[in-house]
Amino acid sequence: DIQLTQAPSSLSASVGDRITITCRASESVDTFLNWYQHKPGEAPRLLIFEASKVQSGVPSRFSARGSGTDFTLAISGLQPEDFATYYCQQSSITPFTFGPGTKVDIK
Amino acid sequence: QAQLVQSGADVRRPGASVKVSCQGSGYEFRNYINWVRLAPGRGLQWMGRINPNRGDTHYPRNFRGRLTMARDTSIDTVYLELNSLTSDDTAIYYCVRDGGALVPNAFDLWGQGTLVTVSS
Repeated sequence: DIQLTQAPSSLSASVGDRITITCRASESVDTFLNWYQHKPGEAPRLLIFEASKVQSGVPSRFSARGSGTDFTLAISGLQPEDFATYYCQQSSITPFTFGPGTKVDIK
Repeated sequence: QAQLVQSGADVRRPGASVKVSCQGSGYEFRNYINWVRLAPGRGLQWMGRINPNRGDTHYPRNFRGRLTMARDTSIDTVYLELNSLTSDDTAIYYCVRDGGALVPNAFDLWGQGTLVTVSS
């Protein structure tokens, strides 16, 4: 199975900050890498698909890049509603796997 | 608008089975439906998928033998049934649509989640 690691596991940030989260795969997933946002009590939400494509309705402050084994998610100008846990997920090969998550909270 | 609506929370004893339903509406119910669970302190875990049209399924090896996915095309509903429950199966279970041609290889629509608690 393809293992995904994320860094950091958590971070504290302020409204307006720019943050980046990294995701590393144990083997190449090409660009079959997605990012989700999850808030407690809600279902996860797709932010980014195919490594860098922003899902419809997602604010432009979210961006992502990468291919192969190394990926990053960036949020420019953090907003109060962005405090959540972020997961990467590979859809290159089954079983589809998720990273352990990065919790973003308010400094 | 497109949505997936799941059955309500359930409590089961260890060793029992649980069945969760997921009904689609607002779109043509033909994209793969995946099941993903979120267990306390353990992140998201993909449990497999079913094609609502053809009925073919794919289960990861760690669930084979105690997991069954099925569908009822007459009511645009898929089901997940998990047997031989243990406390490790306590989780929120989500049905999730594969985005298909527009959002390939990504989960673009999620059900509201079903909390399954396994407790004696």
